[in-house]
This record gives sequence, C-alpha cells and structure tokens, in this order.
Amino acid sequence: GEDVEQSLFLSVREGDSSVINCTYTDSSSTYLYWYKQEPGAGLQLLTYIFSNMDMKQDQRLTVLLNKKDKHLSLRIADTQTGDSAIYFCAESMGYSTLTFGKGTMLLVS
Amino acid sequence: DADVTQTPRNRITKTGKRIMLECSQTKGHDRMYWYRQDPGLGLRLIYYSFDVKDINKGEISDGYSVSRQAQAKFSLSLESAIPNQTALYFCATSDRSGTRPYNEQFFGPGTRLTVL
Repeated sequence: GEDVEQSLFLSVREGDSSVINCTYTDSSSTYLYWYKQEPGAGLQLLTYIFSNMDMKQDQRLTVLLNKKDKHLSLRIADTQTGDSAIYFCAESMGYSTLTFGKGTMLLVS
Repeated sequence: DADVTQTPRNRITKTGKRIMLECSQTKGHDRMYWYRQDPGLGLRLIYYSFDVKDINKGEISDGYSVSRQAQAKFSLSLESAIPNQTALYFCATSDRSGTRPYNEQFFGPGTRLTVL
C-alpha cells in the first residue's frame, strides 16, 4: 500500500531556514501536501503541489518535488518561534483520500 | 464560531464501555472523515463518508463504527472500548463540489479519549 515517510524531529534556531523532508511510494500520487498542526489544534493545510511541478513558492515557504525519487521537501525561510509545530506530509491521487506521514515536530529556539 | 466542531473534547472511560464521538460542520461540505492520531504513528484514517448514503472503511476500522446522520453530522462509535483505543481523534471535512481539484481537508479541534 501507499507509504509516506518523514523524519520525526527537527530543531532550528530562530532566523535560520528549516527543511523538512518526505518520501512517498505511490507513483500515481497527483497531489502532495504539507499540513501544519499547532499545539492543541487540528491540522491545517499549509501548501500543496501538483505532481507535474518541480517547485512552488509561497512567501516564506518553498516546496520542492523530485518525482523521479518520490521526494518532497518543505523549506521555511527565516523560521520564527510561531513556526514551531508538527508538519505532516500527505499525498493523494486526485481528490481521493489522503495518506499522511507520521509528522515532523519542528522546534524553533 | 468554529466550522468543524467535535464533542466531547476530552473523555475518560473504562474498558468495555460504549463511546460515541460527535462531529458537526457548518461548512456545507459533502465529505467527512474520522482519523486517530497516536504519537510516532501520525494520522490514520478510520472511516470516511463522501455523502449521507456513502460510508467507507479506512485503514484501521476494526473496533469502530460510524453514522452519517445528516450532511453536517458524522459520529464515531466505539462499541466496546479497549485501552489501545486511547488516542486523539480528529474529524475532518472536504468539499468535492467546489472548484479545487486537490483534497483540502478542514479539521476539527480533536477529542482526547482515554480508555482505562
């Protein structure tokens, strides 16, 4: 079945860039997502990328997709303490259900 | 007011008890989902419903059942709770009738369930 893998923890200093990585196995994935979960809250869509794109930029966020290697990354520039959260990578084929990774806890100090 | 609400927010129960978690949404979305979150295991899909007459099992449906009482309401039941069902439960919604081709889901605040 589909699988989405990501490292569990990342610690960065305020002002540095953060890079969270994800790998997925389903080659039929058409959309890849990054969701953010702040403490005590549900998940919220941060950004997404269509599978025929290599990169997407949205203010401080840059998403890179290497479809050949099935590798997705999220770069947060000038990381702030408010960026401390759990970040989930997810994939779907079109509008089907999402498969989530285990989440990466980002700690900004 | 929150668009996706869950009740209760916290619940402690004993092994063998029947528990119902409720989810309501005011977003007018057709699709609703139940997930559980466990530390180190991420988010796993329990059940999902694409409309009132449609119910589908997710990755981990054993020990759970659901009811879609109306477009806005989707409840999750644990018929006989066991300790390994202790987890954080999330309801989510999405809108297939919209123009977005991707699946943006909107999550409730979660229900923390403890089974003793």
